[in-house]
Amino acid sequence: AQKVTQAQTEISVVEKEDVTLDCVYETRDTTYYLFWYKQPPSGELVFLIRRNSFDEQNEISGRYSWNFQKSTSSFNFTITASQVVDSAVYFCALSEALIKAAGNKLTFGGGTRVLVKP
Amino acid sequence: EAQVTQNPRYLITVTGKKLTVTCSQNMNHEYMSWYRQDPGLGLRQIYYSMNVEVTDKGDVPEGYKVSRKEKRNFPLILESPSPNQTSLYFCASSLGVRGGGTDTQYFGPGTRLTVL
Repeated sequence: AQKVTQAQTEISVVEKEDVTLDCVYETRDTTYYLFWYKQPPSGELVFLIRRNSFDEQNEISGRYSWNFQKSTSSFNFTITASQVVDSAVYFCALSEALIKAAGNKLTFGGGTRVLVKP
Repeated sequence: EAQVTQNPRYLITVTGKKLTVTCSQNMNHEYMSWYRQDPGLGLRQIYYSMNVEVTDKGDVPEGYKVSRKEKRNFPLILESPSPNQTSLYFCASSLGVRGGGTDTQYFGPGTRLTVL
């Protein structure tokens, strides 16, 4: 069965500090997809990134970067020079691509709340 | 604008009173799904639908029903709500599961349900 663990329940930083969110996953599939979503205080879920298991290249998008390491089953997310608007709950999620009986199910971690103080 | 909509956004009800939460998407997506979000548990899948008239249980289906009569709509039905169904509910949609791939799911704004 697939599982996602976000060990950090809450992180508090001061504006302009970097913050790294950990995500560790478990799966028996060789083909899978990893996602990060952001949930701001308004409550909606905002898609941030999708990465397949064959692409271990790190990715950078503005102040956001992601470090995918298959060897440690981790997909960590770093916010560089954090801003107050980054305050949100961030979810890591996993989908096993080849188990069609399960459809397109996303298995989510418990989420990490990030509080950026001015 | 491409979006997933849910109604109502907030609902307070009493135990046993049947309710329906609607979900609609305008992206012609094949796949739709319902999740519930509870503190510390992340989101868990309730039901999903891979296409019209094709639905199946997710991880926590007890107490819920769904239907998919049209491609764009995927209502969630609570026939006899109980307090343990108090939660934040999200509908999601994606293009579909094609050739083993997994498409990105886009979520509605959420429905906060309280069952007294």
